[in-house]
Amino acid sequence: DARVTQTPRDKVTEMGQEVTMRCQPILGHNTVFWYRQTMMQGLELLAYFRNRAPLDDSGMPKDRFSAEMPDATLATLKIQPSEPRDSAVYFCASGRGGLDEQYFGPGTRLTVT
Amino acid sequence: GESVGLHLPTLSVQEGDNSIINCAYSNSASDYFIWYKQESGKGPQFIIDIRSNMDKRQGQRVTVLLNKTVKHLSLQIAATQPGDSAVYFCAESNDMRFGAGTRLTVKP
Repeated sequence: DARVTQTPRDKVTEMGQEVTMRCQPILGHNTVFWYRQTMMQGLELLAYFRNRAPLDDSGMPKDRFSAEMPDATLATLKIQPSEPRDSAVYFCASGRGGLDEQYFGPGTRLTVT
Repeated sequence: GESVGLHLPTLSVQEGDNSIINCAYSNSASDYFIWYKQESGKGPQFIIDIRSNMDKRQGQRVTVLLNKTVKHLSLQIAATQPGDSAVYFCAESNDMRFGAGTRLTVKP
């Protein structure tokens, strides 16, 4: 049963520290999405990749956030330096591209103190 | 800018009743819509989709209706069960953005 995996599942860190979240998309999927979910803002699209190329990262704070796909099996979302307002659940999703559903991972719950 | 939004943030129904969750969209060029269900502590999961050349699509206990004239989408759940309690999102594939979500609570 193919699924998107995310690590770590939970992360607690202090303000100013670097945080790296990882995602393994479903094999064969060529689109990868990063979302952030909070009670106040709901699900926000941060970045979107197709065939490993970033297509849209307009939802991502550029000064501290960066998203990459070093290869087709790994997507990373990095925050440096982290701030308490970054506390949220970060979801990765993958898809087959075009008009298609997204398959979500279990999320990484980030707490920045 | 254009966005996807929901009419009702919360909905509470009795077990066995039918539920209707609504969604408005603003991008008239949207041609594909998806409903997701998010249970507590999990990521959203696909429920059903519909393309703009259809106005109705049925799944198992769920039906999605699309009214392109008023840019409105609805999800109907028949014989709602406690396991249906979750937050429901509509999304348009062209935009990959989600609305605020509607929390459905099923009372036994």
